[in-house]
Amino acid sequence: GIQVEQSPPDLILQEGANSTLRCNFSDSVNNLQWFHQNPWGQLINLFYIPSGTKQNGRLSATTVATERYSLLYISSSQTTDSGVYFCAVGSSNTGKLIFGQGTTLQVKP
Amino acid sequence: DSGVTQTPKHLITATGQRVTLRCSPRSGDLSVYWYQQSLDQGLQFLIQYYNGEERAKGNILERFSAQQFPDLHSELNLSSLELGDSALYFCASSVGLAYGYTFGSGTRLTVV
Repeated sequence: GIQVEQSPPDLILQEGANSTLRCNFSDSVNNLQWFHQNPWGQLINLFYIPSGTKQNGRLSATTVATERYSLLYISSSQTTDSGVYFCAVGSSNTGKLIFGQGTTLQVKP
Repeated sequence: DSGVTQTPKHLITATGQRVTLRCSPRSGDLSVYWYQQSLDQGLQFLIQYYNGEERAKGNILERFSAQQFPDLHSELNLSSLELGDSALYFCASSVGLAYGYTFGSGTRLTVV
């Protein structure tokens, strides 16, 4: 099956800093999503982005499907950005997603 | 509120028991997914239903079963529970296949 690798595994930032999270996947996909799991355990969908670039406020994401990677950019980070960021991919006609192990982000005030 | 409702939020039960977790998808969503999140395994896909029919199955144990009802809500049944079944169980829904997911807040299951 598809392998999903996220880097870095852990990241510590000062408030106001920018960061880039990476997701590599091993095969062609027709579905790629980024999620944020906050410290209370809630999983929030950030982007549905099987290809191309999207922006939502301070967050943006780019997926280069032909090169099998996706990037999540966080600008001017805030303490509320802390948590775990997951990349998840799918390649079948079911909608099922395979999740990476996540990047744990801590933003310090 | 994401629009996906999971109940109960917390469940503590003894080994060998059976529990049922419930999920109501977001209005208009036809697809329901169940995931298990544990510290050592991460987020693992269990099973998917689409408009009442089973669509995909992951590494779901034989002790676990699920169904989706005509009103599209879904139930995940876990039986002969073991300590290792302790985890967060999430339900997600989407409009169709290969669309963005919306997750519920999860059910935290503790088996003692």
